[in-house]
Amino acid sequence: EAGVVQSPRYKIIEKKQPVAFWCNPISGHNTLYWYRQNLGQGPELLIRYENEEAVDDSQLPKDRFSAERLKGVDSTLKIQPAELGDSAVYLCASSLVGPGAGADTQYFGPGTRLTVL
Amino acid sequence: KNEVEQSPQNLTAQEGEFITINCSYSVGISALHWLQQHPGGGIVSLFMLSSGKKKHGRLIATINIQEKHSSLHITASHPRDSAVYICAVVIKAAGNKLTFGGGTRVLVKP
Repeated sequence: EAGVVQSPRYKIIEKKQPVAFWCNPISGHNTLYWYRQNLGQGPELLIRYENEEAVDDSQLPKDRFSAERLKGVDSTLKIQPAELGDSAVYLCASSLVGPGAGADTQYFGPGTRLTVL
Repeated sequence: KNEVEQSPQNLTAQEGEFITINCSYSVGISALHWLQQHPGGGIVSLFMLSSGKKKHGRLIATINIQEKHSSLHITASHPRDSAVYICAVVIKAAGNKLTFGGGTRVLVKP
């Protein structure tokens, strides 16, 4: 069974440019997470979807970040415009049920390493 | 103060040595995860614990809910165990949100 798929794996852009990341979760997983991981730190949650609904986006910088999961399957995270401080690894994860239904294992994708010059 | 603290931040061991990584947390949790992240790679879930002890191969994870503490042990360490090990807790009061520690960078030398 395929795991969580993310693309691209690496992206280098200049500041003020837009960038988008794509994630396809494990088939049948209703809950999808986007995390940002800065160098030497643990991941920080940006947004959590249950099906197509964003149920926790409190940590998403909404002035420049947006996300969508239109059909409740794959998801896109966008940054426009990118800033130097956005350089990080963006991780996508999925789980069968949301955390509100009890702790459930999250399966992580390989991440997209973004470098903003 | 972070809700999840790991120690040590960095650890270097010789092949074959026994390794222990510690995780302390300050909030009520419903479960704790130990995750492994290789350089340039994604994150792999090793264990999910809510009590007691779990073992998988050379890896052992324990949790003491009363003391709010968990440990990850690697027996007979091998260079392929070199990775960042991350402790993450599911916080009850935050809608069961997963909150991560800063990770422990482990290097096992041959």
